[in-house]
Amino acid sequence: EVQLVESGGGLVQPGGSLRLSCAVSGFTFSDYWMTWVRHAPGKGLEWVANVDRDGSEKHYVDSVEGRFTISRDNAKNSLYLQMNSLRAEDTAVYFCARTGGSNKCDFWGQGTLVTVSS
Amino acid sequence: QSVLTQPPSVSAAPGQKVTISCSGSSSNIGNNYVAWYQQLPGTAPKVLIYENNKRPSGIPDRFSGSKSGTSATLGITGLQTGDEADYYCGTWDSSLSVGMFGGGTKLTVL
Repeated sequence: EVQLVESGGGLVQPGGSLRLSCAVSGFTFSDYWMTWVRHAPGKGLEWVANVDRDGSEKHYVDSVEGRFTISRDNAKNSLYLQMNSLRAEDTAVYFCARTGGSNKCDFWGQGTLVTVSS
Repeated sequence: QSVLTQPPSVSAAPGQKVTISCSGSSSNIGNNYVAWYQQLPGTAPKVLIYENNKRPSGIPDRFSGSKSGTSATLGITGLQTGDEADYYCGTWDSSLSVGMFGGGTKLTVL
């Protein structure tokens, strides 16, 4: 059974940092691209970043470029999102998703809540 | 403001049919596959349609997808109250090299 479990969310002050993790099981992690997606309160889904199978190719939405870093450890079956210089507008539930061919996000975690507030 | 444009809301009676549109451009929908996602309140999104018109195993054939040019459409027939959710289209943008979602459409089954 495919499972993705996010962790690391919480309350952080503006300008602070957090590192999200996504532990996966039930599939060969190194065979898939992975994506982070967020859902801010009262808003729609926002694609945040993705990473290729070996971690060498990464893409970011403009609003997080230079502040967030996506990475993965295939030996640990884990995906990460390092978030620095956090802003109030980064407040959201963050989901990790397995990304199959054609960029479809076919399996999702349950999400972890990040709240940026003083 | 999303690059992919969806109607904010649609509604129909149980048993009826509804369609949800997603409009983009040549750099995204026009040259990439489209997926559709359903998000029930308080849950993670679930893929309903991928590669424009394919259904993952377990998704009933009441859900269908199509694409023409720079627009895509999700169709749902035989509406059930359990279909009330937010629906999102998603694709890749080859010019921006980013993924993207539409703004989402809230479906109400009256």
